[in-house]
Amino acid sequence: SQTIHQWPATLVQPVGSPLSLECTVEGTSNPNLYWYRQAAGRGLQLLFYSVGIGQISSEVPQNLSASRPQDRQFILSSKKLLLSDSGFYLCAYILGSGQYFGPGTRLTVL
Amino acid sequence: GENVEQHPSTLSVQEGDSAVIKCTYSDSASNYFPWYKQELGKGPQLIIDIRSNVGEKKDQRIAVTLNKTAKHFSLHITETQPEDSAVYFCAINAGGTSYGKLTFGQGTILTVHP
Repeated sequence: SQTIHQWPATLVQPVGSPLSLECTVEGTSNPNLYWYRQAAGRGLQLLFYSVGIGQISSEVPQNLSASRPQDRQFILSSKKLLLSDSGFYLCAYILGSGQYFGPGTRLTVL
Repeated sequence: GENVEQHPSTLSVQEGDSAVIKCTYSDSASNYFPWYKQELGKGPQLIIDIRSNVGEKKDQRIAVTLNKTAKHFSLHITETQPEDSAVYFCAINAGGTSYGKLTFGQGTILTVHP
């Protein structure tokens, strides 16, 4: 069976610090992977998606970047965090036609 | 661009009653319509989905109906229970396949009172 992991679960970072969030998927190969951000518990916004290693598509201009160094690993990064980067970050993968989400990372930028 | 409107934003029902949440969309190329349930502090969970070649789909107490002509689809929960309390999101795959990208509604906070 497939599982999706996100690390860390929660993170508190100062403004201007770097960021690295990790997402890994088990039990499937070459999945489409997605990063979403959710503000205030409502409305998921697609940030990036990837259809393969090294292939990243950005949906909105922002202070963040994504990378896919391995088939089942998707990383969300920033060189300098802004207050507006606070939120709940969710990774997702596709299985069949369904899209399945990880447990999320709660990021607070102070 | 793609747009999904979800109503109501909050819904309060008594245990045992039915709950209905509706979404309307504008992209006629959309052909996949999932519904997600999100509990506090957790990732959204896919609870039911429907494709455009089907008008209705049911799974125990939940059902989804689709009216492709009118561009709206609805989630129906019957015999609601307190554990159904959560935020529910609809979504569409605007533009057809588009690499599986989903556009989400703004969510409905459902509260089921015992």
